[in-house]
Amino acid sequence: QVQLQESGPGLVKPSGTLSLTCAVSGGSISSNDWWSWVRQSPGKGLDWIGEIYHSGNTNYNPSLKSRVTISLDKSKNQFSLKLSSVTAADTAVYYCARESTGYYVTVFDSWGQGALVTVSS
Amino acid sequence: DIQMTQSPSSLSASVGDRVTITCRASQSISSYLNWYQQKPGKAPKLLIYAASSLHTGVPSRFSGSGSGTDFTLTINSLQPEDFATYYCQQSYNNSPYTFGQGTKLEVK
Repeated sequence: QVQLQESGPGLVKPSGTLSLTCAVSGGSISSNDWWSWVRQSPGKGLDWIGEIYHSGNTNYNPSLKSRVTISLDKSKNQFSLKLSSVTAADTAVYYCARESTGYYVTVFDSWGQGALVTVSS
Repeated sequence: DIQMTQSPSSLSASVGDRVTITCRASQSISSYLNWYQQKPGKAPKLLIYAASSLHTGVPSRFSGSGSGTDFTLTINSLQPEDFATYYCQQSYNNSPYTFGQGTKLEVK
């Protein structure tokens, strides 16, 4: 049973860069899965941010593409999110999740517990 | 992007009721539709994938149907633990993945 755990600062200043890491346990980040970040603004729905494969290939949501970087560290079995030039609108709970293609369709079948990041001075 | 629209946005029901939630896609997505359940302060959990397949461990009172643009999630004989928010999500053509706005199922 793969488990994911987000970590990183809970408070970021406006115009700064949000940085989060997702540690993967019980499975390898080099498996045949993609790894994603999803966020949820307070009281709102879910927004997909982007994904990374163990090859380093990435795909980003066009709405955030200019500000997002997702990377991975195979030696630590973890992947990371950086979101630059943040504003209050980026305040959200950030989830990391595994995308599995073993279900005929791609699903998010394992999630971290979520990390609240507040953008405020 | 493919837009996903759920209805209703909120729903009041009682234990033992049968409820149906609808999800509509802005274009055909075949059966590339998944359903998740989220409880307050928790991450979403996968319930149904490929429109109608039950994820491992999910009770059989949950079912999904539909294809193309119109999909439904049905919960038979509501249990106390089913009161939560439900989201649909499309994975057609992969990126970008999009979710519905959610349906909050509350106790009547």
